[in-house]
Amino acid sequence: DTAVSQTPKYLVTQMGNDKSIKCEQNLGHDTMYWYKQDSKKFLKIMFSYNNKELIINETVPNRFSPKSPDKAHLNLHINSLELGDSAVYFCASSQFLAGLNEQFFGPGTRLTVL
Amino acid sequence: AQSVAQPEDQVNVAEGNPLTVKCTYSVSGNPYLFWYVQYPNRGLQFLLKYITGDNLVKGSYGFEAEFNKSQTSFHLKKPSALVSDSALYFCAVMGRRALTFGSGTRLQVQP
Repeated sequence: DTAVSQTPKYLVTQMGNDKSIKCEQNLGHDTMYWYKQDSKKFLKIMFSYNNKELIINETVPNRFSPKSPDKAHLNLHINSLELGDSAVYFCASSQFLAGLNEQFFGPGTRLTVL
Repeated sequence: AQSVAQPEDQVNVAEGNPLTVKCTYSVSGNPYLFWYVQYPNRGLQFLLKYITGDNLVKGSYGFEAEFNKSQTSFHLKKPSALVSDSALYFCAVMGRRALTFGSGTRLQVQP
């Protein structure tokens, strides 16, 4: 069983389009995250949700909107895609406990904006 | 704000030799430190963490890390490298409810 799954694995789209990436975890964790990994492999937190509540929203453009329908899901919707949005997006989850617990990462979604 | 530095973009080591991947950190308060590994086209996998206690932390796949408070370092080590250890390694510190990652170090183990 996959602990943290993301769909799709690859996403190729035109500039200006709107797209969504879905994430699901079956670990019973209370906290979920979205990270962006750029072409130089640098990883940066975008959003964090704890029990469906947004707790971190880093300096991410308003075009990015996370949605958490329940504790097991955290989806990422991106409006008006730009070339600079091309990256690998990773979802992760953890049982937060003041940051003591490790995070489990999904396999990533490679987004290419043409 | 917390930060992590990995000074080496790449580390090359021969199979069977010991390896070290360096990491230094900057945090206010007690550091919660982690190492993750990323294999090609895969998500990150947890290796080990330091929360408190012994400065030498043992983790998965024979890796260990040494926490040094005076040098603010958390270097990853393995006594004998395997070719299969070749991957991208990230050091991270837990900050305001999320991890702050270093820039990553690519480990290349030659047969």
